[in-house]
Amino acid sequence: AQSVTQLDSQVPVFEEAPVELRCNYSSSVSVYLFWYVQYPNQGLQLLLKYLSGSTLVKGINGFEAEFNKSQTSFHLRKPSVHISDTAEYFCAVSLFSSNTGKLIFGQGTTLQVKP
Amino acid sequence: DTGVSQNPRHKITKRGQNVTFRCDPISEHNRLYWYRQTLGQGPEFLTYFQNEAQLEKSRLLSDRFSAERPKGSFSTLEIQRTEQGDSAMYLCASSQTGTANQPQHFGDGTRLSIL
Repeated sequence: AQSVTQLDSQVPVFEEAPVELRCNYSSSVSVYLFWYVQYPNQGLQLLLKYLSGSTLVKGINGFEAEFNKSQTSFHLRKPSVHISDTAEYFCAVSLFSSNTGKLIFGQGTTLQVKP
Repeated sequence: DTGVSQNPRHKITKRGQNVTFRCDPISEHNRLYWYRQTLGQGPEFLTYFQNEAQLEKSRLLSDRFSAERPKGSFSTLEIQRTEQGDSAMYLCASSQTGTANQPQHFGDGTRLSIL
């Protein structure tokens, strides 16, 4: 079975500081990897995805993530955060072989940006 | 692109009542998903439609739950004889037909509260 673990439930950080949100996955088959952001009382918005190719992927709002196959990780980073980045962040996978494309999510990480 | 629309946004009901939620996907999207998100957790997959066919159901989807997508357009999720444990955010997502790497677009969800 596949699983996704987000290693930090909450990450407090000051505005303009760098941040890293950690994600590890477990799967016996190849997966696609995604990061989504959820603002209060809203649905999820795609930040970025890794499908193949370069292991460093860039997304919206200045976020980037690096796929590390040997460590089965897909950590999300931003060099300088803004107050508006305060939100819940979810890492997710879907299986290469899936006919449905259903997503398996981690538990989420709350990013709290302080002024 | 008008996005994925879900109605109602909030539903409060007494235990034992039936409830129905509606999802209108992005018009050209063939794939439609329902997820459930409880407080402090990531979304969990419930069911998947490709056009009007329901192709996968999670074991989370008990006999009290039923979903439909007549004519391959909007979808409804009905919960019969609601229980306290059904309180959650119900999220709908849609994506284009293709491989499992197609990004899913989420609605803002329906928050269900059982009294």
